[in-house]
Amino acid sequence: AIHMTQSPSSLSASVGDRVTISCRASQGIRNDLGWYIQKPGKAPQLLIYAATNLQSGVPSRFSASGSGTDFTLTISSLQPEDFATYYCLQDYNYPHTFGQGTKLELK
Amino acid sequence: EVQLVESGGDLVQPGGSLRLSCAASGFSFSDFWMTWVRQAPGKGLEWVANINQDGSEKHFVDSVKGRFTISRDNAKNSVYLEMKRLRVEDTAVYYCARDWTYLGKVDHWGQGTQLTVAS
Repeated sequence: AIHMTQSPSSLSASVGDRVTISCRASQGIRNDLGWYIQKPGKAPQLLIYAATNLQSGVPSRFSASGSGTDFTLTISSLQPEDFATYYCLQDYNYPHTFGQGTKLELK
Repeated sequence: EVQLVESGGDLVQPGGSLRLSCAASGFSFSDFWMTWVRQAPGKGLEWVANINQDGSEKHFVDSVKGRFTISRDNAKNSVYLEMKRLRVEDTAVYYCARDWTYLGKVDHWGQGTQLTVAS
């Protein structure tokens, strides 16, 4: 199975900060990667699909880049509702696999 | 409005069986792959299984192969996860989700149902 490694595992930031989260695949996955946000006690929500495409309804402060093995999610100006856990998910092959998550906390 | 509602979660003894259900509404269910994802207490997300539109293609994570089965009933707009020989490590919240496999996105999720495997 493809192993997805996110970094950092946790991150402290302030409202208005620009933050970047990374996801690295153990082998090339083209652009077959999505980013998800999960708030405590809630189901995950899709932010980005196919590595760079913003899901409908997601604020434009979220953006993403990458292909092959290295991917990034950037939040340009953190808002209070962005403090949550973020996951990447590869769907290049089976089994699909998530990264371990990045917990974004308020500094 | 797309809605996914899971049900069937329970407390089960190790070695037991259970079937989870997910009822879909608000979209053309038979046009979509469906996926199950789980989350153990305090842990990250784990992709479990998915099924294509007519049920002819199914995929599973290695840890559940041979124990879990995924199926769907398009007439009832429902997808199921049949789980046998349950282990303590299967304890998790189980989410079903709509899967645009060929676009690479899982875009709508249910609220989850809790499975606890314990003696």
